[in-house]
This record gives sequence, structure tokens and C-alpha cells, in this order.
Amino acid sequence: KNEVEQSPQNLTAQEGEFITINCSYSVGISALHWLQQHPGGGIVSLFMLSSGKKKHGRLIATINIQEKHSSLHITASHPRDSAVYICAVSLMKAAGNKLTFGGGTRVLVKP
Amino acid sequence: GAGVSQSPSNKVTEKGKDVELRCDPISGHTALYWYRQSLGQGLEFLIYFQGNSAPDKSGLPSDRFSAERTGGSVSTLTIQRTQQEDSAVYLCASSLVQGGAYEQYFGPGTRLTVT
Repeated sequence: KNEVEQSPQNLTAQEGEFITINCSYSVGISALHWLQQHPGGGIVSLFMLSSGKKKHGRLIATINIQEKHSSLHITASHPRDSAVYICAVSLMKAAGNKLTFGGGTRVLVKP
Repeated sequence: GAGVSQSPSNKVTEKGKDVELRCDPISGHTALYWYRQSLGQGLEFLIYFQGNSAPDKSGLPSDRFSAERTGGSVSTLTIQRTQQEDSAVYLCASSLVQGGAYEQYFGPGTRLTVT
């Protein structure tokens, strides 16, 4: 079993819909990261969080440390949100903050 | 300011050849990471540098892979005697400090194709 699991693997939404991506992890972490990768593009860090909730524009990330679960929400989705969203964790036992990644969620938002 | 840069952006090499990939981290970032993104494996950690400390090489897949970081800044990842399974996008990231968790800034990657 992978230490970081994401669901769904693929998601298609109509423009304007509310999107939720889930991430579960099985180990102690110091932080959880949400990353975005557009087709053919580089990786951009969206959020880093260790508790509670963060919001940036139409994106919201939440984490429940006790349940070892995080969600990324996209409100009022737009075709430009089409990308792969990757959950990654910094393991508490590991020095140096190196990341362990989930398998990614491919999101397609149709106009 | 300038982000993380990597060169070359694309590299095609023949099986058995050696390749060198370069990463220029964000100025002032003391931590530097190499990751690999391949179709079958997703994203995986390769190696980590922090200041003058010994690097964490725990993610290197074989002894054909090595990396160095000169002067606490630029890093090169070297793959000797390349194999087809080495084909992947090699990503470099940097962050401000070690200890605790800090946001990592990724470079655009080098796409390596071994023919």
C-alpha cells in the first residue's frame, strides 16, 4: 500500500462545478503539500499545510491530522483548472523535508 | 526573482552513454532536491542536499546515479551508462531552509529519453 493515496485518479467536470480531490496518508507527517501540473508544464506548489484550512482564490485545502486526510476543493471550476493535482507529504520521520507523492488526480474541466 | 532553472530542457541519448543534468536553485535556498517523474512510477525522490551536510542519497535507484552540489548552489545529476528505464522527467526543487516543512519550488524539468 502506498503511503499517500489520492482519489479519484481522473475527474471530469463542467465549467462552474465544485470539485473535490481527496488525499489519505498512512504515516506521520510534518506537512502536506498540494501541487499542480498543467499538461506539458512544470509543477507549482498550491498549498502547504499542517493543520486546518487554507484558501487561495477559488482553491481551498483542508487537512484533518487525526484522520490523516486532506481535501483540495476547486470552486466555480474553469477550463484553465484542467491539470494534474498531486498530493505530497513531508514525512515526520524523515530529515530534510523530502516529499513522498500520491499518484495524482487528472482533472478536466469542460466549457 | 528568478525561479529554479534546469538544463537542458530535453535530452535524447543513446543507451550506454553518460548524461549530466543541471539545476540552478533559487538564490539563497539552502535545500535542493532531485525528483524523477516517470510514466510507470509517478513522482519519486532521488537525492537531497542541505548546506554543507552529507547529501541524503536514499532515493537513488542504482549506483549509476550520482549528484553533486558545488558551492552550495548549482547541482548536477549524472547518470552513467544510461538505460531505457532511465527515461523520465528529472525535476529539481529548492527550498529556503531545512527543518520543519517549507514550500518547495520546482524547476521546469529535464525530459530524458534514452533510445
